[in-house]
Amino acid sequence: GQQVMQIPQYQHVQEGEDFTTYCNSSTTLSNIQWYKQRPGGHPVFLIQLVKSGEVKKQKRLTFQFGEAKKNSSLHITATQTTDVGTYFCAGTGANNLFFGTGTRLTVIP
Amino acid sequence: DGGITQSPKYLFRKEGQNVTLSCEQNLNHDAMYWYRQDPGQGLRLIYYSQIVNDFQKGDIAEGYSVSREKKESFPLTVTSAQKNPTAFYLCASSARTGSGGANVLTFGAGSRLTVL
Repeated sequence: GQQVMQIPQYQHVQEGEDFTTYCNSSTTLSNIQWYKQRPGGHPVFLIQLVKSGEVKKQKRLTFQFGEAKKNSSLHITATQTTDVGTYFCAGTGANNLFFGTGTRLTVIP
Repeated sequence: DGGITQSPKYLFRKEGQNVTLSCEQNLNHDAMYWYRQDPGQGLRLIYYSQIVNDFQKGDIAEGYSVSREKKESFPLTVTSAQKNPTAFYLCASSARTGSGGANVLTFGAGSRLTVL
C-alpha cells in the first residue's frame, strides 16, 4: 500500500539553529500537506503544496515539493522555542491522505 | 466559532467494555475521519465517511465501528474486540475527500482512551 516515510523521527536543536524534516513517498502524490502538533495538542494545518518543484514560505518556514512529486521538505530557519512540536507531512494519493510518522522537534533554550 | 468537538477528552474503560467517542463538527464539511495516534507511529486511519449514511474502512478498522446518520456527527465505537485500544483518538473533517485542496483536515482536540 501507499507509504509516506518521514525522517528524522526526533531532532534536538539549540535555539537559533536550523531544522529540516524530509518526507518521501513510494508513489507520486497529487499534493502534500504539512501539519504541526504541539505537545499535548492536535495537528494543525500549516500549508499545502500542489505543483511539481513548488516552494512556499511562511516567515521562517520553507516548504518544498519535489520535481517528481514524491518527496517534500520543511526547513525552519533560526528555530525558536515556539517551534517545539511534531511536524507531519501528509500526501494525497488515490483518494485519502497518508500521514508520515512525524518528526518531533525539541528546541533547547 | 466553527470547529470540531470531541468528547470525552479522557476516558477510562475496563477490558471487555465497548466505549463510544463523540465527534461533532459545525463546519458544514462533507467528509469526516477517525485517526488513532500511538507514540512513534504517526496517524493511522480507522474509518472515514464522505457522505451521510456511508463510510469506509481505513487501514486499522478491526475492532472499531462508526455511524454517520447526520452530516455533523461521526461517532466511533471502540469494541471489546479491539486488542490494544489504549491510544489517542483524533477526529477530523474536510470539505471533501480527494485532491485539489478540499481535503485539508481540521482536527478536534482528541480523546485519550485508557483501558485498565
